[in-house]
Amino acid sequence: AQRVTQPEKLLSVFKGAPVELKCNYSYSGSPELFWYVQYSRQRLQLLLRHISRESIKGFTADLNKGETSFHLKKPFAQEEDSAMYYCALLTGTASKLTFGTGTRLQVTL
Amino acid sequence: DGGITQSPKYLFRKEGQNVTLSCEQNLNHDAMYWYRQDPGQGLRLIYYSQIVNDFQKGDIAEGYSVSREKKESFPLTVTSAQKNPTAFYLCASMLHGAGYTEAFFGQGTRLTVV
Repeated sequence: AQRVTQPEKLLSVFKGAPVELKCNYSYSGSPELFWYVQYSRQRLQLLLRHISRESIKGFTADLNKGETSFHLKKPFAQEEDSAMYYCALLTGTASKLTFGTGTRLQVTL
Repeated sequence: DGGITQSPKYLFRKEGQNVTLSCEQNLNHDAMYWYRQDPGQGLRLIYYSQIVNDFQKGDIAEGYSVSREKKESFPLTVTSAQKNPTAFYLCASMLHGAGYTEAFFGQGTRLTVV
């Protein structure tokens, strides 16, 4: 069965410090992975997708199939990055979308 | 105004009663999802539907039921068999195809059993 693991519930960093939010997945097929973000009082929204290999708001994530990981990185954290981040895995022809438990990123001055 | 709408925002239920949460989308998306969000547990998948008149159990379907009679609607019923129904419920619809995939979420319904 597919599974998404985010080992850190809370990650606290100083402004300007590098950020890495960890995500590991288990799935025997070909995965499609995402990072979603929820800012305070806002809806959950897509941040980035592994397929597009894009950088959004300075964040990047690379799919490492050997390590089954999809860690989210940003070289210099900003206050506005403080939010809840969820890693998600899309599988199968029925489009099952599974989320991890989330990591709260707290950026302090 | 396009989007996904959940109603009501807050819902109170007496123990032993069934209650139905509404989810409507006008985005013309085929796939729809229901999640339960509890502190420290992230989003857990209850049910999902790829097309009209078809749906699959997610990871925590016990005590819940759904229907998908129309493309734009995916109501969730929390039955009296659900042992711990007090939670925040999120509905989503997904655009999937032509090399692009994105899920869109509602504002959520907070259900409290009293």
